[in-house]
Amino acid sequence: KQEVTQIPAALSVPEGENLVLNCSFTDSAIYNLQWFRQDPGKGLTSLLLIQSSQREQTSGRLNASLDKSSGRSTLYIAASQPGDSATYLCAVRLWNTDKLIFGTGTRLQVFP
Amino acid sequence: GAGVSQSPSNKVTEKGKDVELRCDPISGHTALYWYRQSLGQGLEFLIYFQGNSAPDKSGLPSDRFSAERTGGSVSTLTIQRTQQEDSAVYLCASSVVGGGGGQPQHFGDGTRLSIL
Repeated sequence: KQEVTQIPAALSVPEGENLVLNCSFTDSAIYNLQWFRQDPGKGLTSLLLIQSSQREQTSGRLNASLDKSSGRSTLYIAASQPGDSATYLCAVRLWNTDKLIFGTGTRLQVFP
Repeated sequence: GAGVSQSPSNKVTEKGKDVELRCDPISGHTALYWYRQSLGQGLEFLIYFQGNSAPDKSGLPSDRFSAERTGGSVSTLTIQRTQQEDSAVYLCASSVVGGGGGQPQHFGDGTRLSIL
């Protein structure tokens, strides 16, 4: 059974810091991995999607990497801002399924 | 708007009542998904639609839960004889294609369901 874990569970940093959020999964036979952010009381906003054949994806200050063999993905946020404060979730899709299996989330707070 | 729309945004009901939750996906998205987010359980898959059929309903927790989709568009999730453990945020997502197509899923803001 695929299990997805995110470390740390919570993170509080001053504005301007570069930071790394971690996601690990137990079954390396994934089709793709997606990173989301969730603001309080809101749904999920898709940030980056990495296909299994890819090693990384970048969007603005965000960079996500994928190492399938070790069952890990990282989300790198450069020059963090208070507006980055949210819960970050990673989710994997296995081959021949369409559902996403979500991680436990990292609650990020960036203070001025 | 162009996003996934869910209604109602909040629903409070008494234990034992039936509830219906609605999802209007992004226009042109053939795949539609329902998830549930609850404290202590995280985000869990419930059911997936490709068009009007549901090839994967493995996440529905009991036979009190059912869902349908008509016209390849709007979907309704129905919970019968609600229990307090059904209290959660129910999230709907859609994507361009399913069938392992690898497209990103786009989520609505959810319906927050509270069972008294």
